[in-house]
Amino acid sequence: QSALTQPASVSGSPGQSITISCTGTSADIGIFNLVSWYQKHPGKGPKVIIYEGSKRPSGVSYRFSGSKSGTTASLTISGLQPEDEADYYCSSYGGSYNWVFGGGTRLTVL
Amino acid sequence: EIQLVESGGGLVQPGRSLRVSCVASGFTFDDYAMYWVRQAPGKGLEWVSSISWNSGNIGYVDSVKGRFSISRDNGKNSLYLQMNSLRQEDSALYYCAKGFGELVSDAPEIWGQGTMVTVSA
Repeated sequence: QSALTQPASVSGSPGQSITISCTGTSADIGIFNLVSWYQKHPGKGPKVIIYEGSKRPSGVSYRFSGSKSGTTASLTISGLQPEDEADYYCSSYGGSYNWVFGGGTRLTVL
Repeated sequence: EIQLVESGGGLVQPGRSLRVSCVASGFTFDDYAMYWVRQAPGKGLEWVSSISWNSGNIGYVDSVKGRFSISRDNGKNSLYLQMNSLRQEDSALYYCAKGFGELVSDAPEIWGQGTMVTVSA
């Protein structure tokens, strides 16, 4: 149950694209295609933006996309907008009814 | 509209117990797995516990095993977390979340606003 590894912070200008990485192990990301990504604004509950690796829930902008390679998952946000500024968390199923989260990444839109 | 409303948080002394609850509305509660996830002040999200639709599959983070117990009452559309032998490091905002499906491998989808638990002498 070790936490997934995310960069502490990323930044980008409006209109640019950014990618947030999420590194796990062969016990979680490497074996399950069950990575989800959450956006969290201060004072609000998390909002799921990607689930099962690359699926977008209804109502989530096409600008958000997810992928995976080996034990690393990635979230890409294209066409950055000011309202994208938030904390982003990855999460993966780890088997045996367990989940694990990443430490979170603070996105700053310059 | 789907709603999850947590309650029961508060200030509690180390070693004591507390039960937090979550009442769900706007969906068929017993069709979905449910979760508790916490966030300590200034820290990231931490998964605490999961329960499948029929309570048949349950998981806990290692740090709460043997102290916390998750349960659900499908007749009351309610989720619970019984927390015993509380420690200062359990202080956090506790979120209730609904899964995408009935299994505990279905990711948390909809989240409540949380209930704050503070463990302090």
